[in-house]
Amino acid sequence: SAVISQKPSRDICQRGTSLTIQCQVDSQVTMMFWYRQQPGQSLTLIATANQGSEATYESGFVIDKFPISRPNLTFSTLTVSNMSPEDSSIYLCSVEVTSNTEAFFGQGTRLTVV
Amino acid sequence: QKEVEQNSGPLSVPEGAIASLNCTYSDRGSQSFFWYRQYSGKSPELIMSIYSNGDKEDGRFTAQLNKASQYVSLLIRDSQPSDSATYLCAVNSEGGGNKLTFGTGTQLKVEL
Repeated sequence: SAVISQKPSRDICQRGTSLTIQCQVDSQVTMMFWYRQQPGQSLTLIATANQGSEATYESGFVIDKFPISRPNLTFSTLTVSNMSPEDSSIYLCSVEVTSNTEAFFGQGTRLTVV
Repeated sequence: QKEVEQNSGPLSVPEGAIASLNCTYSDRGSQSFFWYRQYSGKSPELIMSIYSNGDKEDGRFTAQLNKASQYVSLLIRDSQPSDSATYLCAVNSEGGGNKLTFGTGTQLKVEL
């Protein structure tokens, strides 16, 4: 497994602003992902964070709204840009130590946009 | 579209009973199957993985996989109140780009 530190754990933000969420892993991992979990719902994959290249986004998610960085094999950031109340959700970082193996999750970031 | 289906519940079982959680998936190319437990307000925690047909046991948990029927289940023996949580089924398939697709989760309540 891997120890994943995600921060902030929660935040309340004004609409129109941006928030950057950080995900730090204690060891090098092959895959890093960002998920969103809206209230009472399951997890939806936002994108796969690719080391040294642009992230791969899922249908319905775009880079301008959710820019992602992954400068190395242990760290990634997700920015939620120009926030609206509809962006209020839990955002989760997930890693696979090697491809196609178990995925582990960070503690999540509970975002409230007012 | 790759789909993973679960009964949302809640599934209520008495303490000490066996809880049976079920999941079906649509992609026959699916290779890896996972069960996560999520307590309210917490992130998902991996409890079982299974990759081949049959049963896999780990303590009080048993995962069962039937690829022909596209069905995976989780049995929890001697259920405890601390098992009360939402259980998420997740499936990884090559056709899905090696990404996990999650079901909507089954809420389990273990009653005293």
